[in-house]
Amino acid sequence: KNQVEQSPQSLIILEGKNCTLQCNYTVSPFSNLRWYKQDTGRGPVSLTIMTFSENTKSNGRYTATLDADTKQSSLHITASQLSDSASYICVVSAKQTGANNLFFGTGTRLTVIP
Amino acid sequence: DAGVTQSPTHLIKTRGQQVTLRCSPISGHKSVSWYQQVLGQGPQFIFQYYEKEERGRGNFPDRFSARQFPNYSSELNVNALLLGDSALYLCASSLGGFNSYEQYFGPGTRLTVT
Repeated sequence: KNQVEQSPQSLIILEGKNCTLQCNYTVSPFSNLRWYKQDTGRGPVSLTIMTFSENTKSNGRYTATLDADTKQSSLHITASQLSDSASYICVVSAKQTGANNLFFGTGTRLTVIP
Repeated sequence: DAGVTQSPTHLIKTRGQQVTLRCSPISGHKSVSWYQQVLGQGPQFIFQYYEKEERGRGNFPDRFSARQFPNYSSELNVNALLLGDSALYLCASSLGGFNSYEQYFGPGTRLTVT
């Protein structure tokens, strides 16, 4: 069964600190993995997309890693800011035709406090 | 360029009523997907349309229907509303109909059923 699991479910950190969010998946055959940031009540915004051959990708203070062998990904946030408070969703797409090939995690709710 | 737009932003309906949500994709995008996101959960796939044809349907009852217009905008209709239909409804557009294309999400429509 194709599943995406994220941990932790929620996280509270102090402003300026770093944090790492985890994503484990069982989606097969794998096509790509995406991390999205979703502010409360808003649509998700893409942070990174990684294919099978990529094991790290950065977008400013966000760095995503991918280990396709262990089917794990992480999102590292450096020098956190109050505006980083949001839900971070891991999405894995399967290499298959058809529309229903995106598998969403339930997200990690990050709260950055001053 | 304008991103994906959705209307209305918020909506309150009573049980048994019908609702229509609207989505305008990014200019040049031919595919629109609809997702339901219950509070605290990841988005659940409802429909994808590409070139005005339904390409996929998630595990939702027949009360949910959608269509795509010649200008690639889309409507999602939900009949006989239930309390459990309360959610954020997200629309995402992409260039093509397959998972290799990046999906861009709109801000969502918050539907509350009382």
